[in-house]
Amino acid sequence: DAKTTQPNSMESNEEEPVHLPCNHSTISGTDYIHWYRQLPSQGPEYVIHGLTSNVNNRMASLAIAEDRKSSTLILHRATLRDAAVYYCILRGFGNEKLTFGTGTRLTIIP
Amino acid sequence: GAGVSQSPSNKVTEKGKDVELRCDPISGHTALYWYRQSLGQGLEFLIYFQGNSAPDKSGLPSDRFSAERTGGSVSTLTIQRTQQEDSAVYLCASSSSLAVGQETQYFGPGTRLLVL
Repeated sequence: DAKTTQPNSMESNEEEPVHLPCNHSTISGTDYIHWYRQLPSQGPEYVIHGLTSNVNNRMASLAIAEDRKSSTLILHRATLRDAAVYYCILRGFGNEKLTFGTGTRLTIIP
Repeated sequence: GAGVSQSPSNKVTEKGKDVELRCDPISGHTALYWYRQSLGQGLEFLIYFQGNSAPDKSGLPSDRFSAERTGGSVSTLTIQRTQQEDSAVYLCASSSSLAVGQETQYFGPGTRLLVL
């Protein structure tokens, strides 16, 4: 599996936008970029995924670089409930399992 | 609707005992996954089921670990002769289809296993 690199931790103020970066310089053409998050004492939950184009859903937006070697998860207005570990994961054709790295621990400051 | 459920939520056992962990996936989901999360190793894949068969068992750490799935639904992860290093949160996930790397996995709350 191609490797992803994320900062270990980030802080953001409540009600402000948050940009969580992910580098994946060895991504292949068929790899999808997935984001999951894990709130304290819970199992991971799906956030968003994309292939080439930017994606939006009710939780977040995903901005993918033109060369696909990096991506950014955008939380438009952080709330205290968004405090979690965020994982950026690459999944390719026939790759059913999720390979979790260390993720980014996001702290929201009230 | 109902999500993925796991039981028990917590399990304390003595070293050397066998334990069984249960996962009830979302109804209709054909794919089921087991992961574990420990302080030293982070979140790691154990085994994947498609229906009742397990095409990928590559993450099982030793032959003390086994899993089965019956009726394309419930799955049981069994750990024989538990060791202290087996202490972890065991997470189950399910998904609806194989859409070449796109399908969402839905996770249960996990079973927290402590081996004394």
